[in-house]
Amino acid sequence: KQEVTQIPAALSVPEGENLVLNCSFTDSAIYNLQWFRQDPGKGLTSLLLIQSSQREQTSGRLNASLDKSSGRSTLYIAASQPGDSATYLCAVREGGGADGLTFGKGTHLIIQP
Amino acid sequence: DTGVSQDPRHKITKRGQNVTFRCDPISEHNRLYWYRQTLGQGPEFLTYFQNEAQLEKSRLLSDRFSAERPKGSFSTLEIQRTEQGDSAMYLCASFGRVGSSYNEQFFGPGTRLTVL
Repeated sequence: KQEVTQIPAALSVPEGENLVLNCSFTDSAIYNLQWFRQDPGKGLTSLLLIQSSQREQTSGRLNASLDKSSGRSTLYIAASQPGDSATYLCAVREGGGADGLTFGKGTHLIIQP
Repeated sequence: DTGVSQDPRHKITKRGQNVTFRCDPISEHNRLYWYRQTLGQGPEFLTYFQNEAQLEKSRLLSDRFSAERPKGSFSTLEIQRTEQGDSAMYLCASFGRVGSSYNEQFFGPGTRLTVL
């Protein structure tokens, strides 16, 4: 059974810092990996999707990398801003037709002004 | 608005009552998913549809839960005889492309259920 772990569970940093969120998964036979942002009491906003054949994806100040063989992904946030405060979730979609995403518990991020 | 919509956004009910939630996916997407998220946890997969066919159900979906997608468009999730443990955010997602994106799951705002 696929398990997704996110470290750290919570993180609080001053505005302007660069930071890294970590995600690991136990079964490397994934189809793709997706990073989401969730604001309190809200749904999920997709940030980046990395196909299993890709190594990284970038969008603005966000960069996500994928090392499928070691079962790891990182989300790098550059020049953090208070508006980046949210919970960040990592999810994997497995191959073989099992299309439901498996999520980690998330990293709760607070950017201090 | 071309995103995924869910109704209602909030539902408070008493234990033992039945509740029904609705999800309207992005119109050109033929796959629709339901997830449940409890406080401090990531979403957990419940079930998914391809068009009107329900193709996969998680063991989390007890006999009190039923989902339908009768015409392959909107979907409903019904919970019968609600229990306090059913209190959670119920999320719907549709799968496909939006613009130049890859095929991925796009989530709605969720329905927050509170069972008293």
